[in-house]
Amino acid sequence: GESVGLHLPTLSVQEGDNSIINCAYSNSASDYFIWYKQESGKGPQFIIDIRSNMDKRQGQRVTVLLNKTVKHLSLQIAATQPGDSAVYFCAEISINAGNMLTFGGGTRLMVKP
Amino acid sequence: GAGVSQSPSNKVTEKGKDVELRCDPISGHTALYWYRQSLGQGLEFLIYFQGNSAPDKSGLPSDRFSAERTGGSVSTLTIQRTQQEDSAVYLCASSLEGDYGYTFGSGTRLTVV
Repeated sequence: GESVGLHLPTLSVQEGDNSIINCAYSNSASDYFIWYKQESGKGPQFIIDIRSNMDKRQGQRVTVLLNKTVKHLSLQIAATQPGDSAVYFCAEISINAGNMLTFGGGTRLMVKP
Repeated sequence: GAGVSQSPSNKVTEKGKDVELRCDPISGHTALYWYRQSLGQGLEFLIYFQGNSAPDKSGLPSDRFSAERTGGSVSTLTIQRTQQEDSAVYLCASSLEGDYGYTFGSGTRLTVV
C-alpha cells in the first residue's frame, strides 16, 4: 500500500550547525504533509506543515521543502540546538482516501554540544 | 482541558487480560484518533472518530480491539485477551474538523507480560 518513509534513521549534528531530515513518500495523491517532533516519553508535537500545491514553507528556524517530482520532503532546522534532539516524523494525508495522517518511520536527531 | 489527556500513563497487564485505555481530547475538538507506536517505530493508525459519523475502524489490527467515544468527547480503547505483541505506546490525538495538525497526548505505555 501507500507509505511514507525516511532515508536516515539517525542523524548526528554539531550544535549550531544546520540539520536536514529527509522523507520519501509514495502516494502521489497526498494533499498535505506535516512534520512532527517527538521527545522521549511525550507524544508527537506539530512543527510545520505544507500543502501539496507549495514547494517551500518557512517557520521559525525551520523550513520544509516539497519536491513532488521525486516525492521527497525535507525538514531543515537552522542553528540546531540541544533542545532539537528528538525523533522527527513526516506524515501525509490524502483527503479523498481517508481523513487520517499516515506517518513515516522516524529519524532520530542527536545534537552534540 | 488545555491538552489531550491520556490515562493511565503506564499499564502492565498479564497476557489474556482485558485493558481499557482512556483519552480526554481537547474541548471542542470534533475529531479523535488512536494510533499505536511500537518501540522505535512509527505511528500506526488504529481508529478515527469525527463528530457523530460512524468511526473509521480500518486500522484496528484484530477483533480484540475496539473503541468508543461517548458524548462526542472522551474515548476508550479496549483490548481484549491481550497478547505480548500488543505491547506498545497507544497515542490519542484530537483536532478540529478539517485541521490536520493533530494535538497528541503523551500516550499510554502498555506492557503485556
